[in-house]
Formats: sequence, C-alpha cells, structure tokens
Amino acid sequence: DIQMTQSPASLSASPEEIVTITCQASQDIGNWLAWYQQKPGKSPQLLIYSATSLADGIPSRFSGSRSGTQYSLKISRLQVEDTGIYYCLQRYSNPWTFGGGTKLELK
Amino acid sequence: QVQLKESGPGLVQPSQTLSLTCTVSGFSLTSNSVHWVRQPPGKGLEWVGAIWSGGSTDYNSALKSRLSISRDTSKSQVFLKMNSLQTEDTAIYFCTRNGRITYYFDYWGQGVMVTVSS
Repeated sequence: DIQMTQSPASLSASPEEIVTITCQASQDIGNWLAWYQQKPGKSPQLLIYSATSLADGIPSRFSGSRSGTQYSLKISRLQVEDTGIYYCLQRYSNPWTFGGGTKLELK
Repeated sequence: QVQLKESGPGLVQPSQTLSLTCTVSGFSLTSNSVHWVRQPPGKGLEWVGAIWSGGSTDYNSALKSRLSISRDTSKSQVFLKMNSLQTEDTAIYFCTRNGRITYYFDYWGQGVMVTVSS
C-alpha cells in the first residue's frame, strides 16, 4: 500500500498568515493527489485535485504544488473559516489512501 | 442537484453483518462511480471500496475478505455489506461520488454512524 505521511499533525496560525501542509508519498504517484478540508461534524470538501487544480467554488487563496513525491497545500491570507482538518488523498493505486490529517486552528 | 444519503442501522453486534444503503440523486450510477469511506470517531479517513460506473468493484485489501459492494441502478442505490464486524469497525460511513472531471470525490453524503457493540 502507498503510505501518505502528512505533516504537521496540527498547527496554529494567525489570520492573514500563510500556511503550508505537506504530504510525502512512499512512492511515485504522479499527480494523482487531492486535498480535502473537513469541518467538525461535516463531510470532507474537495479543495485541490490532480495535485494543483483548484476545485469549483474554492477560493484562490488555496493552492497545491508538487516536488517529486512531496505534495503541498498552501493557504495564503488565512481566514477564520479555514479552520478544520485537512487531508491528502492518493488514488494512484488500490487501496486509495489518505494522509493522517492536519488540524488547523487560528490564533 | 447531486445528493447522496446513507442509511442503515446505528448499532450492530460484534460478529454480525453490517448492511448500508446509499441512495443517490442528480446523477446516474452508470455515469459515476460511488465509493465508501469510513472514519472512526476522532480519527482519520479510510477508503473502504468502490463500485465503478460499469459495475465492477474494488475493495480495500484490508477489508476485502469481509466486504461486498453492489448496486441497483433502477433505484439509484448502492449497497455495502460487511460481515464479521468488530469494535474497530465502529465509524462514520460515508458514501461519495467520484467526479468525471476531477476524478476525485466531489460530492459526499452526510455519513451514518455505525457502532459495533453488544
């Protein structure tokens, strides 16, 4: 199985700050990676797909990038509504696997 | 609009079989695949399995021996059956649609909490 190692596990940042969350894949997965945001008691919401493409309706302050087998989600100009848990997901091979999650809180 | 809704028993006894239904609207099961994802309380997400638009299935290898996913296209329903349930199967079970443009889960049900306990 492909392991997705996500970091950090949690972080706290101030409004308007820039934050970056990373996922390290245990092997090459190409661009077969997505990012999700999950708020308490809610279903996950797709933010980024194919490593760098912004999903419909998602603010442009969210962006995704790739460097080899490391993938990053960047949130520029952090807003209060960005709190939640963020997950990466690889669909390169079965089983599809999620990262462990990053809990983002605002100071 | 696209909607998915899970239904099933909230409580299942250990060693028994879990049966869940995902009823969809706003799209056809022959156009989009539907997946199941679960989330133990306070923990992360785990992909369970999928039924593809053509009717074939894929399962998480860790669950494959206990899992079956099927569908009734005339009723727009997808079914999950998992046998030999253990306490570690306690989780919120989501059904989710795989987008034809994004190739990722773009719409989700609200989830159904399943507790395995005697």
